[in-house]
Amino acid sequence: GENVEQHPSTLSVQEGDSAVIKCTYSDSASNYFPWYKQELGKRPQLIIDIRSNVGEKKDQRIAVTLNKTAKHFSLHITETQPEDSAVYFCAASKVNSGYALNFGKGTSLLVTP
Amino acid sequence: DSGVTQTPKHLITATGQRVTLRCSPRSGDLSVYWYQQSLDQGLQFLIQYYNGEERAKGNILERFSAQQFPDLHSELNLSSLELGDSALYFCASSVASIPAGELFFGEGSRLTVL
Repeated sequence: GENVEQHPSTLSVQEGDSAVIKCTYSDSASNYFPWYKQELGKRPQLIIDIRSNVGEKKDQRIAVTLNKTAKHFSLHITETQPEDSAVYFCAASKVNSGYALNFGKGTSLLVTP
Repeated sequence: DSGVTQTPKHLITATGQRVTLRCSPRSGDLSVYWYQQSLDQGLQFLIQYYNGEERAKGNILERFSAQQFPDLHSELNLSSLELGDSALYFCASSVASIPAGELFFGEGSRLTVL
């Protein structure tokens, strides 16, 4: 199955700064890359996703970039706010295959005021 | 509220015992996924069912089994429990058999094995 590596495991930034989380995947056929946010004590929720036919996608302060050649993708959060503090998980999947989303181990983001 | 219901929310049991976790997917969703979340392992994919049939299998132990019933609810059975099985078990559902869209997670079932 797909192997997804995520870095860093913890990240602390000051409010207003940017945060970047990076992930690499092993299966070059993977073509769907979502990011989930899990607040403390809550369930994971999708925040943004990207498919392999695009290199970048933005949604307000959040953006995801994909480099298929290098097999890595990144989450960028600009103008961070304390409510961005959470654990972020990247994942990869091969659409039209049989296996489900394989998640990275997560990045604990702390935004300090 | 994601629309995915998991029961029980909390469960405390002893080593060697067997437990069953239950999941009701969102209305209309045919796929159910089970994930295990422990402190240092993130979200580990266990197994996926689609419309009653096993679709994909991840790192699920032989002591664990699951099924999806005709009404689409799913159960995860954990037997011969060990201390290391203590974790938060999430169920998620989606419309399609492939995770090309959002997975909707339940609130999780927290299992503590003493």
